[in-house]
Amino acid sequence: EPEVTQTPSHQVTQMGQEVILRCVPISNHLYFYWYRQILGQKVEFLVSFYNNEISEKSEIFDDQFSVERPDGSNFTLKIRSTKLEDSAMYFCASSRGQGREETQYFGPGTRLLVL
Amino acid sequence: KNEVEQSPQNLTAQEGEFITINCSYSVGISALHWLQQHPGGGIVSLFMLSSGKKKHGRLIATINIQEKHSSLHITASHPRDSAVYICAVQNRDDKIIFGKGTRLHILP
Repeated sequence: EPEVTQTPSHQVTQMGQEVILRCVPISNHLYFYWYRQILGQKVEFLVSFYNNEISEKSEIFDDQFSVERPDGSNFTLKIRSTKLEDSAMYFCASSRGQGREETQYFGPGTRLLVL
Repeated sequence: KNEVEQSPQNLTAQEGEFITINCSYSVGISALHWLQQHPGGGIVSLFMLSSGKKKHGRLIATINIQEKHSSLHITASHPRDSAVYICAVQNRDDKIIFGKGTRLHILP
């Protein structure tokens, strides 16, 4: 069964460093998403992406975040200058379409720790 | 006020028991998701539903749109069902809003 994959599974970085989290969505999917879950808290929406542009973003998704689909398969989340509070689990998801019958498929997540 | 409320927050039960987890929401939705998050953190989508009832193996999900309420049931629960179960609603802008999750622990 097709699945969303994410790399790396874990990343440790120093505060102020740039990190790139990678996702490979399901191949025929057109909508892509990033979510974040700080330890002990609920999952939060960051951004959605369609047709090579951001379709929606939350207030969390400020100027230090960016997303890109550099080729036909990868979907990346870049954090320009990491802060301690960026430590979280980051989930990528993809869906074929939008609306009531189009489920989002989640990746296994990348656990980011900023020191 | 949280837009998605789950109850209970924590649930411990014996193997074999029938489990019910509830979700209430306050916004207009196009769909509701039930997700499972294992101790390692990965998320698995269990159900997406917009009306009625869906069944997959020992899992059953129901939704009542008028009452803005959904339930997830697990029949013949097993220790491997131990996980956090998350209710999430997809609003009319297709944005997903997550509940805080219900931590389920099934004892052998």
